[in-house]
Amino acid sequence: DAKTTQPPSMDCAEGRAANLPCNHSTISGNEYVYWYRQIHSQGPQYIIHGLKNNETNEMASLIITEDRKSSTLILPHATLRDTAVYYCIVRVAWAQGGSEKLVFGKGMKLTVNP
Amino acid sequence: DAGVIQSPRHEVTEMGQEVTLRCKPISGHDYLFWYRQTMMRGLELLIYFNNNVPIDDSGMPEDRFSAKMPNASFSTLKIQPSEPRDSAVYFCASRKREAQYFGPGTRLTVL
Repeated sequence: DAKTTQPPSMDCAEGRAANLPCNHSTISGNEYVYWYRQIHSQGPQYIIHGLKNNETNEMASLIITEDRKSSTLILPHATLRDTAVYYCIVRVAWAQGGSEKLVFGKGMKLTVNP
Repeated sequence: DAGVIQSPRHEVTEMGQEVTLRCKPISGHDYLFWYRQTMMRGLELLIYFNNNVPIDDSGMPEDRFSAKMPNASFSTLKIQPSEPRDSAVYFCASRKREAQYFGPGTRLTVL
């Protein structure tokens, strides 16, 4: 699976949009970008995933650059409950035979401030 | 949907004792995973099942660890005998399509 690079931490004001970057310059054509987060003392939580088109769900939006070398997870109106470690993972989709092993790196700590 | 259910949420035991962690996956999910999380090693995949059959247990640290899935709605992770270095948070997860759904975890402390 391709390696990802995220800043170690980021702050955001409550109510503002949080834009979380991820670099994956070695991504392969069949690899997807997944985002998970882990709120303190809880299990990781799936947020969203995408291949090349922008994706949106009830939690967030995922913007992937045209060359697919980077992406941004957008939390449109951050709340205090969004404070968590966010993980950007690049891997072949399970539906396409990707490994079942989900590898979490160090992630990025997002702190939403009142 | 109740989500993935794990029990107990906290377990404190003494070295040498047997520990059994339990997991109920989300109904209809055909994959089940056991992870362990520590500050030093992060989140590690221990073993996973597909349709109740163990597929890959290469992450199980030692023979002291064993996992079973007798049916689609129940799995156990057993440590016998337990050691202080087994202290960690153990997560169970189940998968449907492209998302893994994690339980709240069991915080294990071995004294």
